[in-house]
Amino acid sequence: ETGVTQTPRHLVMGMTNKKSLKCEQHLGHNAMYWYKQSAKKPLELMFVYNFKEQTENNSVPSRFSPECPNSSHLFLHLHTLQPEDSALYLCASSQNPGRTQDTQYFGPGTRLTVL
Amino acid sequence: DAKTTQPPSMDCAEGRAANLPCNHSTISGNEYVYWYRQIHSQGPQYIIHGLKNNETNEMASLIITEDRKSSTLILPHATLRDTAVYYCIALNTGTASKLTFGTGTRLQVTL
Repeated sequence: ETGVTQTPRHLVMGMTNKKSLKCEQHLGHNAMYWYKQSAKKPLELMFVYNFKEQTENNSVPSRFSPECPNSSHLFLHLHTLQPEDSALYLCASSQNPGRTQDTQYFGPGTRLTVL
Repeated sequence: DAKTTQPPSMDCAEGRAANLPCNHSTISGNEYVYWYRQIHSQGPQYIIHGLKNNETNEMASLIITEDRKSSTLILPHATLRDTAVYYCIALNTGTASKLTFGTGTRLQVTL
């Protein structure tokens, strides 16, 4: 148990559906992250939020829309996804990126399958 | 951030020490060495990090060579639950948001 929870743990959706992934951190951190891990590929950073402000968008397609209402919650809204978007989506949090020895803690991930 | 090189796979008998090497010959003075692991289909788990001194916590020990060009993660008494992919990352935490995972070392702990 890392203090970072993600729901749902598994999600199957069609290409025309709209769904949302939720992440919550109970660590008092100020930064939250979304990563994507496709089969047999390294983790790819998607978005970074620091104090609720988006500080990084790693050229992610607009069909992925993040939302960070406060420092403890992070959402990833999904719409009109493609089968190649099927992957493990991971959320992480850290105290403050840019601070010496900042460490990211990860949630268990949401396994997404797009049909 | 400096590139790291790790062997693709290693085996270790349960109860024995697992020593996972990492080469980071181009590491700069302000880059830390971080270790994470990922058990199959789970989120990565932070293990330990260090700058130049050896470090130990409840999970593992980190030995960094004096020239900082390489390091070794030591799991003192490996168990089957330690079977995972282990990632060594050289990270300037001035850009801590740019945590980049390579291919890591797949450690298989066997009976």
